[in-house]
Amino acid sequence: DVKVTQSSRYLVKRTGEKVFLECVQDMDHENMFWYRQDPGLGLRLIYFSYDVKMKEKGDIPEGYSVSREKKERFSLILESASTNQTSMYLCASRTPGGLSYNEQFFGPGTRLTVL
Amino acid sequence: GEDVEQSLFLSVREGDSSVINCTYTDSSSTYLYWYKQEPGAGLQLLTYIFSNMDMKQDQRLTVLLNKKDKHLSLRIADTQTGDSAIYFCAESNNNNDMRFGAGTRLTVKP
Repeated sequence: DVKVTQSSRYLVKRTGEKVFLECVQDMDHENMFWYRQDPGLGLRLIYFSYDVKMKEKGDIPEGYSVSREKKERFSLILESASTNQTSMYLCASRTPGGLSYNEQFFGPGTRLTVL
Repeated sequence: GEDVEQSLFLSVREGDSSVINCTYTDSSSTYLYWYKQEPGAGLQLLTYIFSNMDMKQDQRLTVLLNKKDKHLSLRIADTQTGDSAIYFCAESNNNNDMRFGAGTRLTVKP
């Protein structure tokens, strides 16, 4: 059974704190993604990585950074958390698709509240 | 930029059919997807359709694609309370970019 796990289901942090969200996949997927999910806005792509040590900005990278030191692990970092980063964060992974169908596998999400 | 749009809410009675609609703007879309998100969980792929098809059926699910109008729909026959969830429409193109809609919250009333 394929699996994407995220380090925490719920997290509460204070404004200005440094926050690490961890994601691990056991499917040997090259591509990994971080999204945030907000009501009425759906999923918005923050950062993605095509392979180890590679990273690309998504649609809303401001205030975030990422780290991919190992193939199975993709970390999202909030250098200085702000209240507008309160959201549900979803990690996903997939095999590279090219012209063929490819499915993204999602983790259960981390609900982050910044006070 | 390219966009995927869907209505935010749909409410049906148990046993009725549900139809969730989606429109997209990317004319180079290659695959279109429906994902389901149950409460407190991540997204799970429900079904997908290749852009050169106009219909796909899988048990209670029927996907219709009108490529000319860039309109995708998901029909759930005999909707059950267990179908209550948020349904996301998504599309991907040759560049492997994937875009999601805002999600439609389906509520099934007994």
